[in-house]
Amino acid sequence: DGGITQSPKYLFRKEGQNVTLSCEQNLNHDAMYWYRQDPGQGLRLIYYSQIVNDFQKGDIAEGYSVSREKKESFPLTVTSAQKNPTAFYLCASSTGLAGLYEQYFGPGTRLTVT
Amino acid sequence: GESVGLHLPTLSVQEGDNSIINCAYSNSASDYFIWYKQESGKGPQFIIDIRSNMDKRQGQRVTVLLNKTVKHLSLQIAATQPGDSAVYFCAENGNSSASKIIFGSGTRLSIRP
Repeated sequence: DGGITQSPKYLFRKEGQNVTLSCEQNLNHDAMYWYRQDPGQGLRLIYYSQIVNDFQKGDIAEGYSVSREKKESFPLTVTSAQKNPTAFYLCASSTGLAGLYEQYFGPGTRLTVT
Repeated sequence: GESVGLHLPTLSVQEGDNSIINCAYSNSASDYFIWYKQESGKGPQFIIDIRSNMDKRQGQRVTVLLNKTVKHLSLQIAATQPGDSAVYFCAENGNSSASKIIFGSGTRLSIRP
């Protein structure tokens, strides 16, 4: 089955530790995205990548980093510089520009930092 | 950017009735619009999309209406079922060359038995 996988589903970390969230897609999509969602709120864009080895900051990139070494993978690192990292993180991909094509979302990773 | 509220607006509908979820979009240059459904603890799921050269598009049990004059988008769900309970987000592209989309804050749809 084609789709987007995110692992793990739940992740717990101590404050001050960096943590990397996995996102893999086998849809052969060029573009990939990371969003953050807080309880009762909409999605906010962290980073996006339109092609391998290239990525751009979204609206709330501070305290996060990404890499896009392979077309199918777009891992997100939540660094200790992120002031409020506890949230639900969603990865998505699309055939091309998000402005023209629908995005397909993964199941999400819920990160809790204490 | 989109406004982010602490509390989602909620629409409560009797099972079997039709649901209408409304969305006001912000950018008059937007020419692509999408509705997503998000169930609790899951990622958003694509429902239907519409481009600005249309004012209505129908899917299975769903219809999206676009009024560009007042920058308004609506999602109509026919014969609402318990499985329709979710948060519904509208999204716009801002412009046709956009590499990202702008999500609205969402509406929670609650179904009464």
